[in-house]
Amino acid sequence: GNSVTQMEGPVTLSEEAFLTINCTYTATGYPSLFWYVQYPGEGLQLLLKATKADDKGSNKGFEATYRKETTSFHLEKGSVQVSDSAVYFCALGVGGSSNTGKLIFGQGTTLQVKP
Amino acid sequence: DAGVIQSPRHEVTEMGQEVTLRCKPISGHDYLFWYRQTMMRGLELLIYFNNNVPIDDSGMPEDRFSAKMPNASFSTLKIQPSEPRDSAVYFCASSLARVWGSNEQFFGPGTRLTVL
Repeated sequence: GNSVTQMEGPVTLSEEAFLTINCTYTATGYPSLFWYVQYPGEGLQLLLKATKADDKGSNKGFEATYRKETTSFHLEKGSVQVSDSAVYFCALGVGGSSNTGKLIFGQGTTLQVKP
Repeated sequence: DAGVIQSPRHEVTEMGQEVTLRCKPISGHDYLFWYRQTMMRGLELLIYFNNNVPIDDSGMPEDRFSAKMPNASFSTLKIQPSEPRDSAVYFCASSLARVWGSNEQFFGPGTRLTVL
């Protein structure tokens, strides 16, 4: 079946530190991969996505590369800010003939950035 | 576009009362999802619709929960009777089906429900 596994949090970093949040997946078909971010008191919003192997999604200094050989989509940022404190969700959607319309979400990883 | 609209944003009610949450998806989207988020259980998919038809309601916790989508621009999630353990943030999301590629979902701001 389809599933997503994220590293457990919370992740606590100092401002300007390097961030990695690990995400691995299992999927049938040809999944698209997503990172969503949820700021306190808000809904989830799309941070970045990749629709095929070796694609790199990027936004607001965050990057993630779709690695089919390792079934991974790790989120990285070179220098985090206090404003990046949020919960980050990795997700996959299966397209093509296996498309159910659903996204499969990981359990979320809380990031806390201290000044 | 205004995005996904949910109402009310906050609801406080007493145990045993009926609660109705409302959602207006993004115009033109053909999928609508209802999620529940709690600290203990995280983000859970309750039910989703495609072209106003319920596709999978296996996440609905029990018969007290029901959802409808009478037309493409409106959906409701009803809890009757409500219980304290239903306290959570309920999110609605919508998406547009694609033959190939992403199923990006757009989330509403959520309804924070407190059942006393």
